[in-house]
Amino acid sequence: QSALTQPRSVSGSPGQSVTISCTGTSSDVGLYNYVSWYQQHPGKAPKLMIYDVNKWPSGVPDRFSGSKSGNTASLTISGVQAEDEADYYCCSYASRYTWVFGGGTKLTVL
Amino acid sequence: EVQLVESGGGLVQPGGSLRLSCAASEFAFTYYSMNWVRQAPGKGLEWVSYISSSSSTIHYADSVKGRFTISRDNAKNSLYLQMNSLRAEDTAVYYCARLLGDITADYWGQGTLVTVSS
Repeated sequence: QSALTQPRSVSGSPGQSVTISCTGTSSDVGLYNYVSWYQQHPGKAPKLMIYDVNKWPSGVPDRFSGSKSGNTASLTISGVQAEDEADYYCCSYASRYTWVFGGGTKLTVL
Repeated sequence: EVQLVESGGGLVQPGGSLRLSCAASEFAFTYYSMNWVRQAPGKGLEWVSYISSSSSTIHYADSVKGRFTISRDNAKNSLYLQMNSLRAEDTAVYYCARLLGDITADYWGQGTLVTVSS
């Protein structure tokens, strides 16, 4: 179970759009539409932001959106805000009740 | 509001054992499968183990297979992780997470820190 590949960091100014990629393989991201994204502020538990590639849990702003093409999933934040500064992790179901996470991406709001 | 509260973490010597607990409330624990996920200091998230609602299906990450045992007591709304033969690389914050649709971890506890060191 190799970790999914995410950029270590991304940045954007308030109001800009930022996209975080998450690359897996044909055995995880490419095979299942079960990609989720988590936001984690320092010292806090992860918070679900997107699931099943592009679905929103209740209470998550719709400026967060998800997509997938082949073995790569993406999280886009449209109109990034200061409170969005955090670490973001992607996660994919990888068959037989196992999961694989990405290494995490630090979002800096300039 | 769904609540998950982990406990049982602490400092343990290499080769030692520890049992983590996760107390669930404000939802029908009996009907949800659960995961344990860990995060080493300054590192990313790592899936550790899965247990179905009835305990009939259990899976482990290769890194803990044979050393960790997941279990649950639905009558007590509790999830457990028995950790044996602990290694330095098991040092991490351990989170329990509820699974939505048996796939997505939608609620997480605040985590409990396990430190393996002599």
